[in-house]
Amino acid sequence: QLVESGGGLVQPGGSLRLSCGGSGFTFNNYAMSWVRQAPGKGLEWVSAITGSGGGTYYADSVKGRFTISRDNSKSTLYLQMNSLRDEDTAVYYCAKDGFGATPGLDAFDIWGHGTMVTVSS
Amino acid sequence: EIVMTQSPATLSVSPGERATLSCRASQSISSDLAWYQQKPGQAPRLLIFDASTRATGIPARFSGTGSGTEFTLTISSLQSEDFAVYYCQQYNNWPPLTFGGGTKVEIK
Repeated sequence: QLVESGGGLVQPGGSLRLSCGGSGFTFNNYAMSWVRQAPGKGLEWVSAITGSGGGTYYADSVKGRFTISRDNSKSTLYLQMNSLRDEDTAVYYCAKDGFGATPGLDAFDIWGHGTMVTVSS
Repeated sequence: EIVMTQSPATLSVSPGERATLSCRASQSISSDLAWYQQKPGQAPRLLIFDASTRATGIPARFSGTGSGTEFTLTISSLQSEDFAVYYCQQYNNWPPLTFGGGTKVEIK
């Protein structure tokens, strides 16, 4: 399973770090992603990372502001969010790639419950 | 960027009836398509991957077809627990990975 934490209320321009703990599978064998969902809206892929952590990928909307990373010794995925904007307000889900260590080759087979990030003054 | 378009936005169906949901890609994605179900307040759940393969534990009433740019999710006989929002997602050409806007299946 996957369990996210770290969400909360932050002012525009502020920072927040999300965490996602994995269990029940060999964490370093799988690519991971963050997917967000603004209130009442659809799903938006945010970022992905390879199983080793050596490759990272971002949506244009967050490139240069967000950083994805992982600590395989702790089976934990992170999302460092800087320069937050109102439009970053969303539930953030972490999701496991179903195939293996390279992202984008398969669907997301396991999702966390999500953590809410609210950017507001 | 590959744009995924789902139709209809809302589908009203009676329990026991068949539901057919569509998803169109702006360019060919082979069979690199997934379908997810999301209920209010819950995370998405994987139903179908590779356009037609049911995920573990998914009932046989859910089926996926299509390749290239046109895809369909069919729920053969709607149960009460199937009323939800359904999303398609492509993983053929990325970044970015892209989702459709969703189809809400509601009780008629």
